[in-house]
Amino acid sequence: DAGITQSPRHKVTETGTPVTLRCHQTENHRYMYWYRQDPGHGLRLIHYSYGVKDTDKGEVSDGYSVSRSKTEDFLLTLESATSSQTSVYFCAIKGGTHANTGELFFGEGSRLTVL
Amino acid sequence: QKEVEQNSGPLSVPEGAIASLNCTYSDRGSQSFFWYRQYSGKSPELIMFIYSNGDKEDGRFTAQLNKASQYVSLLIRDSQPSDSATYLCADQFTDKLIFGTGTRLQVFP
Repeated sequence: DAGITQSPRHKVTETGTPVTLRCHQTENHRYMYWYRQDPGHGLRLIHYSYGVKDTDKGEVSDGYSVSRSKTEDFLLTLESATSSQTSVYFCAIKGGTHANTGELFFGEGSRLTVL
Repeated sequence: QKEVEQNSGPLSVPEGAIASLNCTYSDRGSQSFFWYRQYSGKSPELIMFIYSNGDKEDGRFTAQLNKASQYVSLLIRDSQPSDSATYLCADQFTDKLIFGTGTRLQVFP
């Protein structure tokens, strides 16, 4: 258990509404990530963070913003949700027994449906 | 743009057989690869990490990396129905992992 909690776990919303997903970790990891997973596309990186207030874009960042005001929380915001953002969102932290191995540990996922 | 490719499957093998899962990657400079297992409706979990040419064994799992041919494979010996899942290959790029689309494995009794 990597101590990662995602909330909400399930959300149904309407097109055009703002949505924020929260990832909370309890083990003081520096790196945190947001991925989305869709059939036929696998896991795709949206944004990641390498420290408080330090974030960078991934391969599918359009339509998403992130914030990290403290080590333990990484927020993903959809400013105006669209149906194409219906997906399962996974938060991950980088951790492991060796500092350079780079493995990621995933939260349980948040299923978002945009109607 | 780094790419990781996997056959989506499903790959069907009988119980007790060896399952062979393959992954190819685009960046000749890539050095570190990860295999994740994902059960339906669950999050991915790490099962193997490999960064050097050759084989790495862990229990029933063997990861193989061939940098000259730019492929990574995962062998599962004595496959069990509980191994039925989607297996994701990932290439490490600086501080990120780039994932393939995954191969669905079905092990039938």
